[in-house]
Amino acid sequence: AQTVTQSQPEMSVQEAETVTLSCTYDTSESDYYLFWYKQPPSRQMILVIRQEAYKQQNATENRFSVNFQKAAKSFSLKISDSQLGDAAMYFCAYQKKSSGDKLTFGTGTRLAVRP
Amino acid sequence: GAVVSQHPSRVICKSGTSVKIECRSLDFQATTMFWYRQFPKQSLMLMATSNEGSKATYEQGVEKDKFLINHASLTLSTLTVTSAHPEDSSFYICSASTRVANYGYTFGSGTRLTVV
Repeated sequence: AQTVTQSQPEMSVQEAETVTLSCTYDTSESDYYLFWYKQPPSRQMILVIRQEAYKQQNATENRFSVNFQKAAKSFSLKISDSQLGDAAMYFCAYQKKSSGDKLTFGTGTRLAVRP
Repeated sequence: GAVVSQHPSRVICKSGTSVKIECRSLDFQATTMFWYRQFPKQSLMLMATSNEGSKATYEQGVEKDKFLINHASLTLSTLTVTSAHPEDSSFYICSASTRVANYGYTFGSGTRLTVV
């Protein structure tokens, strides 16, 4: 079974600084998707970034980028120029690459942004 | 973009009663609907997966007779918590998957259920 591990329950970053959230996963599949979701206090799940395992290039979305290390099964999220609105729970998630398969979530990292 | 409308956002019910939560895909057809449960400060735990027109597949440990899932159309899925008890109090979130955009996922806004 696939597992997703987030070893940092809480992280804190100064506004405008950079922070990296860690995620590791375990799978026997060779092709799959990885995601980072943000859950602000409203509890609405918001997709931050998505990575396809067969793509070597790391995904980026504006201030958000990932460091995808397939051999190490590591998928960290870097947030640059942190903003107060980035404060939230961040969940790493895995999806096997089959039609409409379920997401497996990590335990989450709570990110605080200090003004 | 794809939107999933989830209602109600909050509900309080008495022990022993049933509560129905609805998730509607507003501008796309949801091939598959996932129902999650989230306890305070914890992650999302998948309860069941439903495909339109077929029976839901429940995760191990989830009582199918207690958490009834109906996915009668490509735009509507419902979760009914039957004979609710205080331990059923939680945050429930639905997520729809669509063939459009490589089976991307769209989440509802969640329902906070409190059983008193």
